[in-house]
Amino acid sequence: QLQLEESGPGLVKPSETLSLTCTVSGGSMTTSNFYWAWIRQPPGKGLEWIASKYHSGATYFNPSFGSRVAMSVDTSKREFTLILSSVTAADTAVYFCARHAVVTAAEDWFDPWGQGTLVTVSS
Amino acid sequence: SYELTQPPSVSVSPGQTARITCSGDALPKKYAYWYQQKSGQAPVLVIYEDNKRPSGIPERFSGSSSGTLATLTLSEAQVDDEADYYCYSLDNSGTLRVFGGGTKLTVL
Repeated sequence: QLQLEESGPGLVKPSETLSLTCTVSGGSMTTSNFYWAWIRQPPGKGLEWIASKYHSGATYFNPSFGSRVAMSVDTSKREFTLILSSVTAADTAVYFCARHAVVTAAEDWFDPWGQGTLVTVSS
Repeated sequence: SYELTQPPSVSVSPGQTARITCSGDALPKKYAYWYQQKSGQAPVLVIYEDNKRPSGIPERFSGSSSGTLATLTLSEAQVDDEADYYCYSLDNSGTLRVFGGGTKLTVL
């Protein structure tokens, strides 16, 4: 059974860069139609999709993040990463990684998810 | 931008049927997906492609979609079903992935 686990610093200073890693176990990272995604949830608020990346390079980004977001996928290490630059207090959130199925323009979902990791932006 | 609109809260008594709605302009052309998130846990997919249940999800969970409104129905609600429920879908262009604001289901 596919499992995902997030890791990274729990505290980041304002204006610095947040970097998180998701380690994948129990399944392939190169199956057709499956991307790898990051989603976040500010404390007490709803879910927000950040970005998704295919093992061979194609990437989708949420335009609300502008150029602050980057992702990488390393299938040899069985992990993928999120880079979010110029963070502010508004980026404080629980960050989830997930497998993202992109089958057609209508068939598109996230499953399963990692347990999430809290990142606080504070000086 | 694109929005999916859910009621902030729904409350039912144990054994009753709970219905949570999700409104979005692109839903006539895009599938709706539903996630259950219990306190302190990761979201779990409970309905995909409007009305299909993943393996392991009880038959009490069902979904439907008509026009711009998708609905998650939870029959014979149990206290253990208390959670936040989020709908998810895409905008008409198929490039923007969006979650609804979430609905807190209370069973008491």
